[in-house]
Formats: sequence, C-alpha cells, structure tokens
Amino acid sequence: QVQLVQSGAEVKKPGASVKVSCKASGYTFTTYTIHWLRQAPGHRPEWLGWSTADNGNTKYSQELQGRVTITRDTSASTAYMELSSLRSDDMAVYYCARGSRESAYGSLDFWGQGTLVTVSS
Amino acid sequence: DIVMTQSPDSLAMSLGERATFNCKSSQSVLYSPSNKNYLAWYQHKPGQPPKLLIYWASTRESGVPDRFSGSGSGTDFTLTISSLQAEDVAVYYCQQYYTTPYTFGQGTRLEIK
Repeated sequence: QVQLVQSGAEVKKPGASVKVSCKASGYTFTTYTIHWLRQAPGHRPEWLGWSTADNGNTKYSQELQGRVTITRDTSASTAYMELSSLRSDDMAVYYCARGSRESAYGSLDFWGQGTLVTVSS
Repeated sequence: DIVMTQSPDSLAMSLGERATFNCKSSQSVLYSPSNKNYLAWYQHKPGQPPKLLIYWASTRESGVPDRFSGSGSGTDFTLTISSLQAEDVAVYYCQQYYTTPYTFGQGTRLEIK
C-alpha cells in the first residue's frame, strides 16, 4: 500500500534551518509529483512547492521563494524539504503529499503523517 | 493567487441529516480544453493528515463512502454528505489545483448536534 513516512518533530531556534524527509513506499517514486505543504494552528493548509515526477524539477511558493528548497534521492525514494532562516511564524505541521501521475497539476491523494516544527529561542 | 472562500465556517447537524458545504473561487478553475474543474475536497480530523474525498470537483476517491458527493463548475462548488454519520465530524477544505500556488479554503467545521 502507498505510504509516505516523514521524519520526526523538530525544535529549532530562530534563524536556523530545518530539513524534513519523506520516504515513499508502495509505488514507483519517480512516477508521481511530490508536494510539500504546511498548516499552522488555526490556519488553512499552505502549499510550499513541488518536485515533479520525471526529472525532479521544482516550483516554489513565491512567499517562501529563497528560503525553501525541495530535493529528492530517487535511490532512496525519499523527498526532502529544507526551510532556512526560520521565524516564529514558520511554526507548523509540515506535510508531504503525493500528487498526480499524469501532470504536475493534480489533487493530493496520499499524505505523510506530518512533522511538527517548533521555532523557539 | 486564487482565493478560495468556504461557507459556512461551521455546521452543526444531527445524525442522518444532509450536510452541504460551499466553496467559491476568485476565478474559474475550469480548464476548457479538458472540461475539467481543478477542484478537490479534503476531510481533516485532529492528529491526522487531510484525506482526499473528491477530485475533479465530482469524482469520488477510491474507498470514500458514496454518501459523499461533489458538484459545481467554474467558480462555485458544493460538497454534500447525504446522511451524516458520527465519524464524519471533521474540518472540510476545498482546494484548487488549477494554478500554483495551490490554495485552500478556510475550512468548514462539522459538528454533531
């Protein structure tokens, strides 16, 4: 069965970076886009960016452009999201999610369990 | 960015009743060449990731009970639960994937009366 398993909770100081991993299983990793999203308490989910299926091309939210980097290791079927220069308003649960096979534009059918990132001095 | 607005913010219904959730996008999410609406609905329960219920505005995801249905086109969409069950208590989000950044509505919280 399809699973996306994310790395554990992180506590970081303001200005630091965090890197969250997302290991995929149950399907061919390079045939589906991987998206990253986050949800702060009391807020709606926010899309951060994607890594496309075929060549791992990335696209990012303009709001986070320059601070977010999405990479992947196809040999390990794992995607990564790194966010730098952390601020208190980056505190959220971060999710990876599987997108479409046919196109980068598609709904998100499987989600990781979420990774809580706490930013505190 | 496409702004997604849901109504109402919360809904309190009795078991067995019909629940209706509305979602409006600030611009059309209908892609004319394919005649597909790039709109999904998710169910979100505390401590769990969101779960995909409906995609292409009206296609039920595999394994989702048939009491859930989606409708609408262009800028106005509806999610309906035909007969409310206790396990349906959750926050429901609509989301457009017509263009990036993907955007979500603010959510509608469903409670049992």
